[in-house]
Amino acid sequence: DVKVTQSSRYLVKRTGEKVFLECVQDMDHENMFWYRQDPGLGLRLIYFSYDVKMKEKGDIPEGYSVSREKKERFSLILESASTNQTSMYLCASSYQLGRQNTGELFFGEGSRLTVL
Amino acid sequence: GENVEQHPSTLSVQEGDSAVIKCTYSDSASNYFPWYKQELGKGPQLIIDIRSNVGEKKDQRIAVTLNKTAKHFSLHITETQPEDSAVYFCAATTLFSGGYNKLIFGAGTRLAVHP
Repeated sequence: DVKVTQSSRYLVKRTGEKVFLECVQDMDHENMFWYRQDPGLGLRLIYFSYDVKMKEKGDIPEGYSVSREKKERFSLILESASTNQTSMYLCASSYQLGRQNTGELFFGEGSRLTVL
Repeated sequence: GENVEQHPSTLSVQEGDSAVIKCTYSDSASNYFPWYKQELGKGPQLIIDIRSNVGEKKDQRIAVTLNKTAKHFSLHITETQPEDSAVYFCAATTLFSGGYNKLIFGAGTRLAVHP
C-alpha cells in the first residue's frame, strides 16, 4: 500500500514561531503537494514539487515555503507563524504521468496546526 | 481564477436511499474529474474518477456522470450504508504554471447516512 506519512498530527505554536511540517512517501512518486483544508473552502494548493529541488507556487503560497532535498520527502515551512495559518495541512503525492495527465493523489492523514 | 462549485454542503439520508452530489466547473479545458472521500481523522482517498471522453462511469454502488456542455459532473451513491458517511470532494483539472495540470477542489459535501 502507498503510504504518505506526515510527521505530526497535532501541533500548537505561538505567533512568530518557525514551523516545520514534514511529509514522507514510500512509493517513489515524482510529484508531491501541500494543501491546506479549511471548512467551506475545500482543499487549496499551497506548493507542489514535480522533482527533487523543484517547486512551484500553488494558489496560496504567501507565508509558506517548501523544501525537497530528497525525492521521498517534502517539507512545508512557516517562517513566522500567524493565527490565520491555523488550519489542517495535507500532504499528497502522485506519479508523474506527463504534464497534462493527472494521476491519483495519495494523501497523508493531515497535520492540524493551531497558532496562538 | 478557475473554480469548482459543489452542492449541497451537507446531505443527510436514510440507509438504503440514494445520494447525489453535484459539481460545476468553470474551465472549459478541464479534462479529468476525480471524487475523493475523506473519513473522520483521515486524508482524502480517491473513490472514482472520469475523463472528458466519457459520459458516465460506474463502480458497484457509486457512479459519476459528466456533462461537458453544461460543465456539470455528479456523484451518485445508491443503497447507501452507514460507512458511506464522510466528506466528499469533487475536483477538476486546470492548466497551471510550467504546463502542468493541477486539481481545483470543491468545498466538500458532508454526507450522513442514518441507520
